[in-house]
Amino acid sequence: DAKTTQPTSMDCAEGRAANLPCNHSTISGNEYVYWYRQIHSQGPQYIIHGLKNNETNEMASLIITEDRKSSTLILPHATLRDTAVYYCIVRPHSGSNSGYALNFGKGTSLLVTP
Amino acid sequence: DTGVSQNPRHKITKRGQNVTFRCDPISEHNRLYWYRQTLGQGPEFLTYFQNEAQLEKSRLLSDRFSAERPKGSFSTLEIQRTEQGDSAMYLCASSSIRDSTDTQYFGPGTRLTVL
Repeated sequence: DAKTTQPTSMDCAEGRAANLPCNHSTISGNEYVYWYRQIHSQGPQYIIHGLKNNETNEMASLIITEDRKSSTLILPHATLRDTAVYYCIVRPHSGSNSGYALNFGKGTSLLVTP
Repeated sequence: DTGVSQNPRHKITKRGQNVTFRCDPISEHNRLYWYRQTLGQGPEFLTYFQNEAQLEKSRLLSDRFSAERPKGSFSTLEIQRTEQGDSAMYLCASSSIRDSTDTQYFGPGTRLTVL
C-alpha cells in the first residue's frame, strides 16, 4: 500500500505556479520524499527528492513541513508540457547492498490549461 | 548515453502464447528494475537486479513470469502462457549504486495486449 495521500486531480493555468500537496503522516526517520511524474504514454521521470530541508532544482521546488508529515511540490511557472500524473513516494535511501522499489500509488493528475 | 531502451514498444499476442521483452539499461548502471502498469494505475514493482543477481521479487511475479539479467547488462522479462489479465505496460528502470539517491531512470515501456 502506498504510504502517501494525494488529490486525484488538479488544474492550473499556464504560467501560474502549480502546488501539488502530498500527505505522508507515517513517514519514518530514514525515509525520503521523492517526486516523479509521468506524461501520457511515457515512462515516469524523476523530478526531485528531499529528507527534511526544502530542495530546489531546475524542474521544481520541494517544501517539506517541519514535522515531515506532508510536503508540496511546486512548479513555479507551469507550462502545457507539465500536464502529467505526479507521484509522491516515500522510501529509504538505498545503500550499496540493496536498492528499493518505488511504490507509486495513483498520483495526482495535473492539467495545465491555456 | 542514450537512456533506458525497451523492445519491443508494442506487443500483441494471443492468450496462451509466450512473450519476451528486453530492457537495455543506461550504461554502467548496476541496478535494473521491472514494473507493470495497468490502465489508470501507477506502476507496480515486479522485481529488481543488482548486477546479475535478482535480489527481490514481488508477489505480483507469478510462476508464469521470469526475469533474467545474465551478464549484468540487459535484462529480459518472459511471460509464459499469457492471460488477458497480463495486458499492461511493462516498464524498466535502471540506477547506479554510486548514486546515493538511487534515482531510477525509466524506459518508454513495452505495451502488451493479450487477445
